[in-house]
This record gives sequence, C-alpha cells and structure tokens, in this order.
Amino acid sequence: QSALTQPPSASGSPGQSVTISCTGTSSDVGLFNSVSWYQQHPGKAPKLMIYDVTKRPSGVPDRFSGSKSGNTASLTVSGLQAEDEADYYCNSYATNNNYVFGTGTKVTVL
Amino acid sequence: QVQLVQSGAEVKKPGASVKISCKASGYTFTNHYIHWLRQAPGQGPEWMGLITTSGGDTTYAQKFQGRVTLTRETSTSTAYLELNSLTFEATAVYYCTRSVGSHFDRWGQGTLVTVSS
Repeated sequence: QSALTQPPSASGSPGQSVTISCTGTSSDVGLFNSVSWYQQHPGKAPKLMIYDVTKRPSGVPDRFSGSKSGNTASLTVSGLQAEDEADYYCNSYATNNNYVFGTGTKVTVL
Repeated sequence: QVQLVQSGAEVKKPGASVKISCKASGYTFTNHYIHWLRQAPGQGPEWMGLITTSGGDTTYAQKFQGRVTLTRETSTSTAYLELNSLTFEATAVYYCTRSVGSHFDRWGQGTLVTVSS
C-alpha cells in the first residue's frame, strides 16, 4: 500500500484559508468514505481533526472542514490562526483491512 | 478520562528485540481495536498493524509482516508491540492509538526507540 500523496507545504496569512489535498487510489480514498485528518505539532502525538471525510470531533473548531471527490480528499482550514501552524496528515482505510497515511503537509501561518 | 500510556524510551543494539507497552484506561479496553504506528525522524506516521482487543486477532501491514508481533493482555488493559531483529532504520517514535470505526481518536504519548551500536 503506497502512501497517500499530499503537497509538502501550504501557507496563508492569518484569517485566510488553506486547502490541503490528499490523493489516493480506488483501493483506499476512492473506495471508502473513511478518510480522516490529523494535526501534529512538533514533539506531540497526532490529533484527530476530521473523520469519515467530513465529520468533526467535539472540540475541533468549525474552521476545519473536509471533503472528497473521487480519489482525492481535501482539508480546508478557514480563518487561519497562529496555532494552526502544524503538520497535517490524511489517513484512509484501505482494502485488506489496511490503513494508509498521507505524506504530510506542513502548514505555515505567515 | 480516556488515556493510552506507553512505556518509556528504549535504546537497543542492531539485531536485538524490543517490546513496547500501551496501557489503556478510562474505557472498556475490549471495545476498541488498538493500532500501532511508526514515525521515523522527519517523516509522517506509518501504519504498522492492528489487534482486536477482544479476540486478539491481528492484521499487519505487508511491510511489517514477520518483523512485528502485536499482543494484548485484557486483564491489565495493555497492548504490546514487539519488534525483532532491529536495524538502524527502526529508529523512530512508535505510537499506539485506538480506533473508533476507521479513525484514531486517542493516542499514546509515543515511545522513542533508538537503535545504535
């Protein structure tokens, strides 16, 4: 199972929006509505931000939203804030009861 | 509150084995699978495998098949990851996480394994 493809970096000024893509295949992202997104600050464990493509866990600001079209999922962060600067990883359930992570995107708040 | 607490950092020589623990609390251990992930320095997380905490069934990522063993002890609500025949490339932070459906909602703090001669 190959890693899902994400852009290495994304950036925006405070208040702006950034969108991160996550491209997989018809065996993972395209087949299942089981894409989740994780935020990771340096030295910390990942934190769940979006699950089942579009759902937000309790406590996650509604500035974070997810979507999917075909084999590509996306995470949008609206109204960027300084604390949103972090690495973001997508994950998808895949065939044969496997899971696959994305390559990661570093979001910088300018 | 739900917690996953992992064992401490390890330093091992090449060829050795290491066993990391992940103790769950604050919920019914057997209601959620436990997954293990590896994060090498400067890299993203990599899914290694899962164990069904009720039955002990395992699924491994093809890359780790034969090199990793997942077990669990329901009496102590603890899951274990054993890595065999360590190479330098095994140097990484290892995380346990529980799944709800197909996402990971709670994570351990991570265990750094350093392989050094």
